Amino acid sequence: NAGVTQTPKFQVLKTGQSMTLQCAQDMNHNSMYWYRQDPGMGLRLIYYSASEGTTDKGEVPNGYNVSRLNKREFSLRLESAAPSQTSVYFCASSEWGSRETIYFGEGSWLTVV
Amino acid sequence: DQQVKQNSPSLSVQEGRISILNCDYTNSMFDYFLWYKKYPAEGPTFLISISSIKDKNEDGRFTVFLNKSAKHLSLHIVPSQPGDSAVYFCAEGSNYKLTFGKGTLLTVNP
Repeated sequence: NAGVTQTPKFQVLKTGQSMTLQCAQDMNHNSMYWYRQDPGMGLRLIYYSASEGTTDKGEVPNGYNVSRLNKREFSLRLESAAPSQTSVYFCASSEWGSRETIYFGEGSWLTVV
Repeated sequence: DQQVKQNSPSLSVQEGRISILNCDYTNSMFDYFLWYKKYPAEGPTFLISISSIKDKNEDGRFTVFLNKSAKHLSLHIVPSQPGDSAVYFCAEGSNYKLTFGKGTLLTVNP
């Protein structure tokens, strides 16, 4: 079972470059999320989409944009990458109302130099 | 201001003993609390949850206790095994999203 799939797994960017992290889920979930994990900071929510057609800011949205392309796909875009965006990014999905459990992808390691 | 606090960055226990991981929260209007486990280079995986109407939930070796008056929850692992060594995150679930604590690194020594 694929679950939540995110690409790329590793990426190195130069400051100012742009890139998009792709995420797809095959569990027919309504809600999707992007988190980042930094040492000592835990998992912080960047953006989420409670349902297809809606997106909302999370705790740390600055410097990012998102697109809920359809029910399966939720992309995260860095328009002008900064070293502070060096992090591990996790996409997740859930069927909210069913124990509120969310399922994570394996992560994308992004380094901005 | 952090809504979910895990004040212990790390915990070390001996195999076979009890591991107790703690979490404090500020928001009383929550629906669920959840615990997630994370191994290096992997995504977090769901471990156990508890709803606001309960004060205890048990699943095998894992038990979560909720003390609403103290705004405190804890995860008990009995007996602890070396394979339990991981980072544990508590999370508050409400309004279609989860808010995570900073995590506690549990090391179970053989």
